[in-house]
Amino acid sequence: GDSVTQMEGPVTLSEEAFLTINCTYTATGYPSLFWYVQYPGEGLQLLLKATKADDKGSNKGFEATYRKETTSFHLEKGSVQVSDSAVYFCALPGTSYGKLTFGQGTILTVHP
Amino acid sequence: DVKVTQSSRYLVKRTGEKVFLECVQDMDHENMFWYRQDPGLGLRLIYFSYDVKMKEKGDIPEGYSVSREKKERFSLILESASTNQTSMYLCASSLLTGHQAFFGQGTRLTVV
Repeated sequence: GDSVTQMEGPVTLSEEAFLTINCTYTATGYPSLFWYVQYPGEGLQLLLKATKADDKGSNKGFEATYRKETTSFHLEKGSVQVSDSAVYFCALPGTSYGKLTFGQGTILTVHP
Repeated sequence: DVKVTQSSRYLVKRTGEKVFLECVQDMDHENMFWYRQDPGLGLRLIYFSYDVKMKEKGDIPEGYSVSREKKERFSLILESASTNQTSMYLCASSLLTGHQAFFGQGTRLTVV
């Protein structure tokens, strides 16, 4: 079945550092891929998405490229801010009824 | 602006009580979902619904039931709450398979 593997966390960085959160997936075909973010005390919100191979999703300075050769969708940001402290989830939709399969989540803490 | 609203942010219930968690979406979405979120376990799907009165078990349905009498409302029911159901519960909806899901703000349930 479908699965998503995220890098083990948590991740702690200083402000303006470079961020990478790894995500690999197993799926049938070439589904869309998503990154969701959960700020403290909130539900999840979509951060960015890519709908086909080689697409790059971007939002709020974050980027991720859909790479079918390596079945990966790594999240990157060139310069993180304290306000980026949150939990980040990689996800892919299943083939039935829009069920999302999530990775374990990566807790990011950014210090001033 | 799209909206998924969960009836409570915080709930405290006693062991053995019947608990209702309500979720309403205003986007005319077909699919609705209930997840629970626990540290180290990510998001796990409890139940989902793809149409009024239709429901399917997710990965961890034991101890839960659901109701979808109207398209916009999806209720999660804990028939007899137990302490191991203490968790964050997240409701979500999506229009179609492969589309992004929109999440509510979450309900943090504590069973004592």
